[in-house]
Amino acid sequence: QKEVEQDPGPLSVPEGAIVSLNCTYSNSAFQYFMWYRQYSRKGPELLMYTYSSGNKEDGRFTAQVDKSSKYISLFIRDSQPSDSATYLCARGANFGNEKLTFGTGTRLTIIP
Amino acid sequence: GAGVSQTPSNKVTEKGKYVELRCDPISGHTALYWYRQSLGQGPEFLIYFQGTGAADDSGLPNDRFFAVRPEGSVSTLKIQRTERGDSAVYLCASSSPGQGAREQFFGPGTRLTVL
Repeated sequence: QKEVEQDPGPLSVPEGAIVSLNCTYSNSAFQYFMWYRQYSRKGPELLMYTYSSGNKEDGRFTAQVDKSSKYISLFIRDSQPSDSATYLCARGANFGNEKLTFGTGTRLTIIP
Repeated sequence: GAGVSQTPSNKVTEKGKYVELRCDPISGHTALYWYRQSLGQGPEFLIYFQGTGAADDSGLPNDRFFAVRPEGSVSTLKIQRTERGDSAVYLCASSSPGQGAREQFFGPGTRLTVL
């Protein structure tokens, strides 16, 4: 079992829809959770990080963590064609262990 | 300010050759990371430097892979006797003191193709 599982998609939704992207993880030692966005032939770009259960909001993006079920989600409201990219979830362990473990990424297309 | 830069952007080599990939981190970032991303996969950790020393090299797949950061800034990832399975995008990231794993800034990557 991979440490971070993510549905690779692809996922296509119409412009303006709410997008839900999800990951599960297997190791309860994981403390930090991140969402990265990666455009084609570019490096990953950090969108959000969180280290506690609950919701964290930043503009049109909301990250949700449920540590009891080891489930993390990213919601995108009012989706735009410019949101078309691959979204990667990642976890970092306790501070001091600096490597990130990524999911496979979900390829998202927003249809105008 | 400038982000993380990586050179070359593309590298094509033949099986068995030696390659060097360079990473210039964001100025002032003491932590530097190398990841490898195969097609359709997420980045996979290779090695992490804090300053000049490798704090964690547990992700290096074998002894053909080696990385250095002699002055605590620029890093070079070196691959000896390349194999076709080494073909991937090699990503470098850096972070500032105190941020650690939470805010790693990635470069655009070097796309390595081994023929």
